[in-house]
Amino acid sequence: NAGVTQTPKFRILKIGQSMTLQCTQDMNHNYMYWYRQDPGMGLKLIYYSVGAGITDKGEVPNGYNVSRSTTEDFPLRLELAAPSQTSVYFCASSQGGEQYFGPGTRLTVT
Amino acid sequence: EDQVTQSPEALRLQEGESSSLNCSYTVSGLRGLFWYRQDPGKGPEFLFTLYSAGEEKEKERLKATLTKKESFLHITAPKPEDSATYLCAVRENQAGTALIFGKGTTLSVSS
Repeated sequence: NAGVTQTPKFRILKIGQSMTLQCTQDMNHNYMYWYRQDPGMGLKLIYYSVGAGITDKGEVPNGYNVSRSTTEDFPLRLELAAPSQTSVYFCASSQGGEQYFGPGTRLTVT
Repeated sequence: EDQVTQSPEALRLQEGESSSLNCSYTVSGLRGLFWYRQDPGKGPEFLFTLYSAGEEKEKERLKATLTKKESFLHITAPKPEDSATYLCAVRENQAGTALIFGKGTTLSVSS
């Protein structure tokens, strides 16, 4: 099992550009999550999903959108990128207990 | 006010020098406390889940314990390869399956 995979690993965006961060899990987990991690701060929840077709906002959803059309995939969309979205983004999945994390995407917006 | 507070922020140990990391929480209705290890440039790696006061879990040189207000991660005779950031997270009654993370403790073990 590959677990949770994320692409790309690194990306530089210009202010106002858009992009999609990809996340795929092969553990057949119902729950999936997107977090961002900033230096010196804890992981902050952006969006989560409890199953295909169901998503909900986390603590810091502004500037992001998600969709969940399949159990395996949970892409995160950034519209009109801003410098405040410079961060490391982690996707995670679980079956209700512990969460398993992907390797992360380091995004810089300049 | 942070709901999950980890201390110290950073800890330097000599190889073999045992110590403990602290995670205190203020959530109501704890539905699980989770410990993760994170290496630089990597995603968090799951270590332990604790559900009730008095519970303990062990893995190699690590032992996690839980009380009604805090959890400790005890590191016995650490080795340089134990150097990492250790994250604590809690799940509370009203939060579905979401986790609330502390800021982490960065452990450095020198030989």
